[in-house]
Amino acid sequence: DGGITQSPKYLFRKEGQNVTLSCEQNLNHDAMYWYRQDPGQGLRLIYYSQIVNDFQKGDIAEGYSVSREKKESFPLTVTSAQKNPTAFYLCASSLAGVLYNEQFFGPGTRLTVL
Amino acid sequence: GIQVEQSPPDLILQEGANSTLRCNFSDSVNNLQWFHQNPWGQLINLFYIPSGTKQNGRLSATTVATERYSLLYISSSQTTDSGVYFCAGAQGGSEKLVFGKGTKLTVNP
Repeated sequence: DGGITQSPKYLFRKEGQNVTLSCEQNLNHDAMYWYRQDPGQGLRLIYYSQIVNDFQKGDIAEGYSVSREKKESFPLTVTSAQKNPTAFYLCASSLAGVLYNEQFFGPGTRLTVL
Repeated sequence: GIQVEQSPPDLILQEGANSTLRCNFSDSVNNLQWFHQNPWGQLINLFYIPSGTKQNGRLSATTVATERYSLLYISSSQTTDSGVYFCAGAQGGSEKLVFGKGTKLTVNP
């Protein structure tokens, strides 16, 4: 089946540790995105990539890093510099840029910092 | 960047009732989408509707681009319609899909 997969579904981290969230898509989409959602809030953009080996910061990039070495993969690392990392993280993709293309989402990863 | 305002923030219905959710944008948009977030957090695409009217079963949506708003209609609501409904838009010159804060819908049996 075509779609977007994220792993793990739940992730627990101790303070001071870096963790990497996986996002894979088999839709042959060029553009991929990472969002953060806090309880009762909308989604905020962390990073996005429109093409392999290129990515840009979103609105809340501090404390996060990404890579885009393959078209189908866009992993997100939550570093120890992120002050409040406990949140729900959603990965998305679209055929090309978001202006004229529908964006689709993965099932999300819930990160809890202990 | 654009601001997205959704109303109402909360809505409680009895099964079988109809409802209208509204999304206002501070500026014109080239992409406008409606999503339903289910209790497990999954965002389900409902409509891609930068302008015009679309229908899908009991759901329909209308976007009046010149007036910078969109409406989502839910008819004969069911308990499975419960969840949070988000609208989001993107404008020219930006690669960002900006989300509203959502409307939390509760449908009681």
